[in-house]
Formats: sequence, C-alpha cells, structure tokens
Amino acid sequence: EAQVTQNPRYLITVTGKKLTVTCSQNMNHEYMSWYRQDPGLGLRQIYYSMNVEVTDKGDVPEGYKVSRKEKRNFPLILESPSPNQTSLYFCASSREQGFYEQYFGPGTRLTVT
Amino acid sequence: GENVEQHPSTLSVQEGDSAVIKCTYSDSASNYFPWYKQELGKRPQLIIDIRSNVGEKKDQRIAVTLNKTAKHFSLHITETQPEDSAVYFCAASWGGADGLTFGKGTHLIIQP
Repeated sequence: EAQVTQNPRYLITVTGKKLTVTCSQNMNHEYMSWYRQDPGLGLRQIYYSMNVEVTDKGDVPEGYKVSRKEKRNFPLILESPSPNQTSLYFCASSREQGFYEQYFGPGTRLTVT
Repeated sequence: GENVEQHPSTLSVQEGDSAVIKCTYSDSASNYFPWYKQELGKRPQLIIDIRSNVGEKKDQRIAVTLNKTAKHFSLHITETQPEDSAVYFCAASWGGADGLTFGKGTHLIIQP
C-alpha cells in the first residue's frame, strides 16, 4: 500500500530536550515537505527536499532541521524545542516538485511544556 | 513569495444546499491550484485541482473555477451531504521547488 508514515503520532516533551520526528514514504517520490498546522494559520511549510541531499527552507524554518540521506526518509529535528513549537506536524511527499498531488502522513501532535 | 487568501474561515450550510469557498492569490506566475479536504483528526487529501490552461473542472458534486485575470479561484460543492463536513484548504504553486502555498482553511459545517 502506497503511504507516508510518521512517528511518533503523539509526543509530549519538555523545553530543550532534542527530538526527532521520522517520516518515510514508499512511493519512490523525489519531493518531500514538512508542514506545521496551527489553528487559524493553515498549513505552513517548514522545510522541503527536492531529492537526496537537497533541502531548503520553507516559510517557517526557525528552530528546525532536516536531512535527506535516503530517498524514502525525511526526518524533522528539533534540537532545542520551545513551547511555541507546540503544533500538529505533517510530512508530505509528491512524485516531483510542481504540479503533482501531495500525499500527507497521518500527522504528529507535539506538545512542548 | 506567493500569498493565498481564503474566505470564509467558517461556512455553515443546510444539507442539500450548495457551498462556495473562494481563494485569491498574489503571484501571477502561479499556474496550479489544488484543493485539499481534511476531515476531523485526519490528514489533508487532494479532492480536485486545476491548471491555468483550464477555466473550470468538475468531478461529480465538486467543481473548481479559475479566473487568472482576477487571480482568484473557487471551490463549489453542490447537494451538500454530512460527509462534506471538513476543513478545506486551497493552495497555489508556480511549479517551483518551494511547492504549494496554502490558504488558512475553511471549516465547512453541514447542518442537518
């Protein structure tokens, strides 16, 4: 089954404790993105990757890091989480950049206290 | 960069009536306009999209119209049903590496 998976689905952590949210897709997609969803603000892009070892900042990259060492995986790293990073996070992938459907993962709800 | 405005933020309609959600975009280079539906607690999923060489596209009860001159596009849902209750996001892209820019979403409520 074609899918995008994320782990963990729910996470409660404390300020400053480094964490990683994993994202994996099995569709051989070149393009992957991370979004955060906050009430009233919609979906905002954090980082994106056009292919292995090619990543770039989206609209709200501060406080986040990413890596793309393998085509299927695109982890999101919060080196020192802060309460303003409490949000719902979605990973997404598409065949290529441009005019292709984005397939979203199930989401990760993160709470930073 | 691109900016997408979406209205209204909340829309309540009677079951069986039509619903219309409107979006405007700022970058005249944008030429791909998808709509995503997000049911409560679920992930966003593509429901329909339109490219700039087309003015209207239909898929059963949903349709999207595009006015490139005015830089706006709309989602139309006819004969609304309870399962249409969700948050709908419009988006725009010029095909570049930065991908889609999303609107803030519309919460569609179908009243029985």
